[in-house]
Amino acid sequence: EDQVTQSPEALRLQEGESSSLNCSYTVSGLRGLFWYRQDPGKGPEFLFTLYSAGEEKEKERLKATLTKKESFLHITAPKPEDSATYLCAVFAGFQKLVFGTGTRLLVSP
Amino acid sequence: DAGVIQSPRHEVTEMGQEVTLRCKPISGHDYLFWYRQTMMRGLELLIYFNNNVPIDDSGMPEDRFSAKMPNASFSTLKIQPSEPRDSAVYFCASSMTGTGVRYEQYFGPGTRLTVT
Repeated sequence: EDQVTQSPEALRLQEGESSSLNCSYTVSGLRGLFWYRQDPGKGPEFLFTLYSAGEEKEKERLKATLTKKESFLHITAPKPEDSATYLCAVFAGFQKLVFGTGTRLLVSP
Repeated sequence: DAGVIQSPRHEVTEMGQEVTLRCKPISGHDYLFWYRQTMMRGLELLIYFNNNVPIDDSGMPEDRFSAKMPNASFSTLKIQPSEPRDSAVYFCASSMTGTGVRYEQYFGPGTRLTVT
């Protein structure tokens, strides 16, 4: 069964304090790994897609990396507006995504 | 583009009542997905359609749930009769296949359902 595990469940950072979120997965035949951001009361917002080990994607203060077993979302010098829940999902075929339960990030000024 | 549109945004109903959630996908997208999100179980795929045809409904919890997509711009998720354990946020998402486009799903704002 395809599984996605995210850690930590919650993370509190001071503004400017860089850190990483982890997403480990087990899937038979990974065809893509997705990162989404979700703000309270809103739907998940697409951030990145990674397709193969070694691939990296960047957007502003966020950088996503992928290995054969896990993905990291690195947050460099975060700001309070980066506070949100970050969701990881794997695409295992037939257009289906399997989501992790997310990491709740709080960045304090 | 306006993005995925869902209505209503909030729904409060009593146990046993019928509930209908609505979704308008992004124009040109050929896949439509219905998800349910709870604190305990996170985001769960309920059913998805391709070109208005249901492809996989294995995530639909039981016969009380049904979904339709009568045309490319409209889908409904119906719960009849509703139960308190159906309380959750229901999301609709859509995606497009094609050259250079791969699998990203775009979500609507969700419908928060409360069944008392």
